[in-house]
Amino acid sequence: QKEVEQDPGPLSVPEGAIVSLNCTYSNSAFQYFMWYRQYSRKGPELLMYTYSSGNKEDGRFTAQVDKSSKYISLFIRDSQPSDSATYLCAMRRDDKIIFGKGTRLHILP
Amino acid sequence: GAVVSQHPSWVICKSGTSVKIECRSLDFQATTMFWYRQFPKQSLMLMATSNEGSKATYEQGVEKDKFLINHASLTLSTLTVTSAHPEDSSFYICSARGIGDPDTQYFGPGTRLTVL
Repeated sequence: QKEVEQDPGPLSVPEGAIVSLNCTYSNSAFQYFMWYRQYSRKGPELLMYTYSSGNKEDGRFTAQVDKSSKYISLFIRDSQPSDSATYLCAMRRDDKIIFGKGTRLHILP
Repeated sequence: GAVVSQHPSWVICKSGTSVKIECRSLDFQATTMFWYRQFPKQSLMLMATSNEGSKATYEQGVEKDKFLINHASLTLSTLTVTSAHPEDSSFYICSARGIGDPDTQYFGPGTRLTVL
């Protein structure tokens, strides 16, 4: 079983819809949970970062962590075509970040 | 925010040659830099971790004699792919972690390597 599982998609939704992206993990040692956005042929850009269970909101983005279920989510409200990218969940234990495969998201105008 | 640059952004080389990729932290000092490799539609895979002034720590399965990493200063790390082969073609991304900011890694834009 991989440490971090993420559905690669692609996921296509109409503009303005709420997007839900998810990851599961198997290692309870993960301490920090992150979401990165990666445009084609670019490096990842950190979107959200949290270390506790619960919700964290930043503008149109909400990160949710459920440590009991080993499940994290990223919600994007009022999605825009510019949100089209690959979203990678990532989790850190000690000095190492483990990435999910990434979910390709297409926002249809 | 903190900026990390990589050079070159893309490189094409012949099989058997060596290629050097630079990673620079432009506006902060990076105590630790990380090198990742990403194949198409795959996740980022950590290759090695380097701390300034010391030898890099390589992940299992990564050949340290093939992927030479040097982190000689707090703002520069280099990855040299020696005797490159077509299977080394990939997207190489570095990230840097700054002094006083241990929880965040800032990623470079990546370098696309194609070995003919």
